[in-house]
Amino acid sequence: AQSVTQPDIHITVSEGASLELRCNYSYGATPYLFWYVQSPGQGLQLLLKYFSGDTLVQGIKGFEAEFKRSQSSFNLRKPSVHWSDAAEYFCAVGDDRGSTLGRLYFGRGTQLTVWP
Amino acid sequence: DTGVSQNPRHKITKRGQNVTFRCDPISEHNRLYWYRQTLGQGPEFLTYFQNEAQLEKSRLLSDRFSAERPKGSFSTLEIQRTEQGDSAMYLCASSRLNYNEQFFGPGTRLTVL
Repeated sequence: AQSVTQPDIHITVSEGASLELRCNYSYGATPYLFWYVQSPGQGLQLLLKYFSGDTLVQGIKGFEAEFKRSQSSFNLRKPSVHWSDAAEYFCAVGDDRGSTLGRLYFGRGTQLTVWP
Repeated sequence: DTGVSQNPRHKITKRGQNVTFRCDPISEHNRLYWYRQTLGQGPEFLTYFQNEAQLEKSRLLSDRFSAERPKGSFSTLEIQRTEQGDSAMYLCASSRLNYNEQFFGPGTRLTVL
C-alpha cells in the first residue's frame, strides 16, 4: 500500500540557515511526489512536484527537492531559510490513475519553526 | 483562477446534529476531492468526483458521511449524527483532467461539542 513517512515532527532552524526536510515513500510504481506547505488556518499550497525526468526539481519560494529512487526518498531543501518559511510541510505521493491523478497520500507533516 | 472556496470556514455543532459543507472548485475543473485533516496529522483522503460521478470512496467515509456533486460543479459533504471524533478540518481540492496537480481550498474546521 502507498504510504509516506516524515520522520521529523518538528524542526527548528535559525533564519539564514539551510534546511532539509525528510520524506520517504512506499509506492509500487513510479511515484508522483509532492511537497505542500500549510500556514496556520490555511489550505495547502503546492511547493513543487516530481513526475519524471530530472530528479532535482525546483519549486516556489526557493525550495528544491531531490528524488532518490534507491532510497525511496524525496527530501525538501532550502539553502537559506526566511522567518516567513515557518509553517507545516507535507510530503505526498499521488495515486497514478492514468492520465489524471487520483488520491494523494500524505505524511503526517513536519512543523518548521524559524528563530530570528 | 479564483481558487477553490469552501463554506463555512468554521462550524461548531453539538454531538448528534447534522452538518453540511460546501466546496466550489476552480471553474472548469473536472475533478473534485475531499480530504479530512485531524490535529497533528496529514490530510486523509475521503472521496473524489469526476464531474458528477463519485469515482472512489475511502473506508473513512462511513455511512454517516455522504458527498454529492449533482451538476458537476460545486460539491457538498454532509455528516449525519455527528460525533466528537468527526472534529477535524475538511479540505476540498480540485484539478483539471490530464493535469496532475490538486488545488486546495482553505478548509472548513468542524468542532463537535
